[in-house]
Amino acid sequence: ETGVTQTPRHLVMGMTNKKSLKCEQHLGHNAMYWYKQSAKKPLELMFVYNFKEQTENNSVPSRFSPECPNSSHLFLHLHTLQPEDSALYLCASSHLLAGKGGTDTQYFGPGTRLTVL
Amino acid sequence: QKEVEQDPGPLSVPEGAIVSLNCTYSNSAFQYFMWYRQYSRKGPELLMYTYSSGNKEDGRFTAQVDKSSKYISLFIRDSQPSDSATYLCAMSASTGGGADGLTFGKGTHLIIQP
Repeated sequence: ETGVTQTPRHLVMGMTNKKSLKCEQHLGHNAMYWYKQSAKKPLELMFVYNFKEQTENNSVPSRFSPECPNSSHLFLHLHTLQPEDSALYLCASSHLLAGKGGTDTQYFGPGTRLTVL
Repeated sequence: QKEVEQDPGPLSVPEGAIVSLNCTYSNSAFQYFMWYRQYSRKGPELLMYTYSSGNKEDGRFTAQVDKSSKYISLFIRDSQPSDSATYLCAMSASTGGGADGLTFGKGTHLIIQP
């Protein structure tokens, strides 16, 4: 398997369920990201992990809980979601640019299509 | 004012035409500029990556960045039906060592008519 993979590809859950999204990158990168893509809206950055340390949380509700056990794996734990949370959830990874700041290009997985009933 | 403005389209052109896609932005700190292509039900795929101002060419694709006008463009020559997709512009600023999430435009839906 190459690149960035995400599982499951599709998920339907009720508002009281607990589920987790998984992302794995096979590119040797050291930064990982969660984005949300809703219809008619730009991709929204949710979380950033830098060498397994969370460095950004863009005012995301606590019903979304990220976990990054190592630089290759990223999870998004979901609980008591709302119907408006239905969207495509995208994981991405990148290299950090040593000495320059910022990051090299980000590579995306195929996404998990989430529907909350 | 939104940070990145991009016309969502749809933009429909005949096969073989030159396509011009554009974004404007307001944050002068942005230094890294990218174009992604996204097919239906797929994740975004990186097409072009540029740092600061200037032009970059890769096959039928040319990316232009004008930081003084806060304006970036993607040109597609000899457009093909397989180029039909949503094109997303994205950009980020240097944070001095940390990872940056990208700030995206809404994406332009492009249709190439055979």
